[in-house]
Amino acid sequence: GAVVSQHPSWVICKSGTSVKIECRSLDFQATTMFWYRQFPKQSLMLMATSNEGSKATYEQGVEKDKFLINHASLTLSTLTVTSAHPEDSSFYICSARDFMGAAGGGNEQFFGPGTRLTVL
Amino acid sequence: DQQVKQNSPSLSVQEGRISILNCDYTNSMFDYFLWYKKYPAEGPTFLISISSIKDKNEDGRFTVFLNKSAKHLSLHIVPSQPGDSAVYFCAASESFGNEKLTFGTGTRLTIIP
Repeated sequence: GAVVSQHPSWVICKSGTSVKIECRSLDFQATTMFWYRQFPKQSLMLMATSNEGSKATYEQGVEKDKFLINHASLTLSTLTVTSAHPEDSSFYICSARDFMGAAGGGNEQFFGPGTRLTVL
Repeated sequence: DQQVKQNSPSLSVQEGRISILNCDYTNSMFDYFLWYKKYPAEGPTFLISISSIKDKNEDGRFTVFLNKSAKHLSLHIVPSQPGDSAVYFCAASESFGNEKLTFGTGTRLTIIP
């Protein structure tokens, strides 16, 4: 099956610093990747849709200048949390859709393992 | 505004019995539904999906039922196995191919040996 990796799996940073999270599709090409955030006991909330070679599309209420997304290749998207604050502490999960359908048909997205961000 | 709701945060079922997980939605534009399973410290994995043109889809031990008029779907697992213990998320999109998924809050299923 399709594998999506994330790095790092957890990160602790000081308030005001920036943190970069990588999302990679390991065995398929993903023209579209998605970034979600999950707070405790809440559902996964879509933050933005990342398209290879173009600007990301952000969901309402998500600050694009704070959450910078770069999808420079068909296998890599990065999310940078700029000037992180304690309220940004959350579980960030990426997913990727297999454009060619080689990894699976349908509308399912393949998820990474997530990154736990803690901002002190 | 929670458009996809899973009202039971947790469920315990005896091994070998049937597990039934429920999901309700409010957005009438949703017409494609998916179930994901999530273990701790891992990302969700796709289980099964159903299009609104169907009312049932079956894959091995997993069956999803859709009642469009009631805006309700359910996931049946039978027989339940200890490895099924996980958090199950219901998700919906406005069309097949529409990539935006709206997730429910999840139900933690525990299978009792």
